[in-house]
Amino acid sequence: DAKTTQPNSMESNEEEPVHLPCNHSTISGTDYIHWYRQLPSQGPEYVIHGLTSNVNNRMASLAIAEDRKSSTLILHRATLRDAAVYYCILRDGGGKLIFGQGTTLQVKP
Amino acid sequence: ETGVTQTPRHLVMGMTNKKSLKCEQHLGHNAMYWYKQSAKKPLELMFVYSLEERVENNSVPSRFSPECPNSSHLFLHLHTLQPEDSALYLCASSQDWDRVRKLFFGSGTQLSVL
Repeated sequence: DAKTTQPNSMESNEEEPVHLPCNHSTISGTDYIHWYRQLPSQGPEYVIHGLTSNVNNRMASLAIAEDRKSSTLILHRATLRDAAVYYCILRDGGGKLIFGQGTTLQVKP
Repeated sequence: ETGVTQTPRHLVMGMTNKKSLKCEQHLGHNAMYWYKQSAKKPLELMFVYSLEERVENNSVPSRFSPECPNSSHLFLHLHTLQPEDSALYLCASSQDWDRVRKLFFGSGTQLSVL
């Protein structure tokens, strides 16, 4: 399974943008990049996914490097409710989602 | 509300007990999953069912026994567990197994084995 590398933790101030990085240097051409987040005492929830082009939805934006070896999840205005563990995951053509350690995001008021 | 409901939310059991975890999804999905989340460890995929057939079994000990009677329900039967099996057990579903676009998770069952 292709691996991802994320910082263990990051801090942000409320109402400021947050850029969460992910390295995936062994990504293959058919791997999709998925992001999930897990709020305290809850199961993970889907945030966004993409293959090659940048993607936007109501929760976040996903910026994918041209060589696809890295990506960045962008929260445009962090709120206290965005404090969570964020997981960057590669999904191969077979469909399995293998979670790593993720990045714990703290949001300060 | 994600459409995936797990019961119970909390469970305490002794090593000789037999208990079952239940998961129900109201999303019309064809695939269901069990994940285990131990403290300070990544989520581990345990089992995958697609259209009620098991398609993935990741070397899980036989003291964990899954059952999928229909595409909306998934059970995890537990017997003679060990204290190290204490963890958060998460159920998830997706439209299909072979082209997973989104996983929808329940809130999990926090299991403590004494």
